[in-house]
Amino acid sequence: EADIYQTPRYLVIGTGKKITLECSQTMGHDKMYWYQQDPGMELHLIHYSYGVNSTEKGDLSSESTVSRIRTEHFPLTLESARPSHTSQYLCASTAAGGPGELFFGEGSRLTVL
Amino acid sequence: GENVEQHPSTLSVQEGDSAVIKCTYSDSASNYFPWYKQELGKGSQLIIDIRSNVGEKKDQRIAVTLNKTAKHFSLHITETQPEDSAVYFCAASTPGSDKLIFGTGTRLQVFP
Repeated sequence: EADIYQTPRYLVIGTGKKITLECSQTMGHDKMYWYQQDPGMELHLIHYSYGVNSTEKGDLSSESTVSRIRTEHFPLTLESARPSHTSQYLCASTAAGGPGELFFGEGSRLTVL
Repeated sequence: GENVEQHPSTLSVQEGDSAVIKCTYSDSASNYFPWYKQELGKGSQLIIDIRSNVGEKKDQRIAVTLNKTAKHFSLHITETQPEDSAVYFCAASTPGSDKLIFGTGTRLQVFP
């Protein structure tokens, strides 16, 4: 069983609010990722990190930002949420020396009204 | 960059039948091909993977085949059970990259 946790699992908020999706893993993995999953099921990489103080943008442009101050923690923030941000956000991690198995959290489903 | 196509997008089978999901990739340098299962309310989990130095790999009812020349790989599930119902994703990765490029997903339904 993967030791990677996301909170909240579900969030419904109004337009303009600032939100932070939390992701934590206890496996000591250096590499962490955020994927956005649209209703059509496709997974799009929006951010990744190869270690502390390392963050990169993924293949899909996103208005969200991330930070990596601690190895185990990779939060995603939206400064001003909009209805177009409504989606499922999946966090994942893997050990260094990849490619190898990605361990996924259970996801955070965000709805912006 | 790498592009992965996956077919079909939905697949319905009777319990006990076999299910096959196919993926094609564009970058001939790709060398790692995992398959993930996503169940409702649960995190996606790796179910099987294959590297480019192997043509086939089996794990009980699940097998993956890789055709490097044609740049496609397939997931085979035999003797399907209702608990196999889920969304399945293929992915590919190139050497030196730690990013997985995912296919578009296949929703598999196994009817009792």
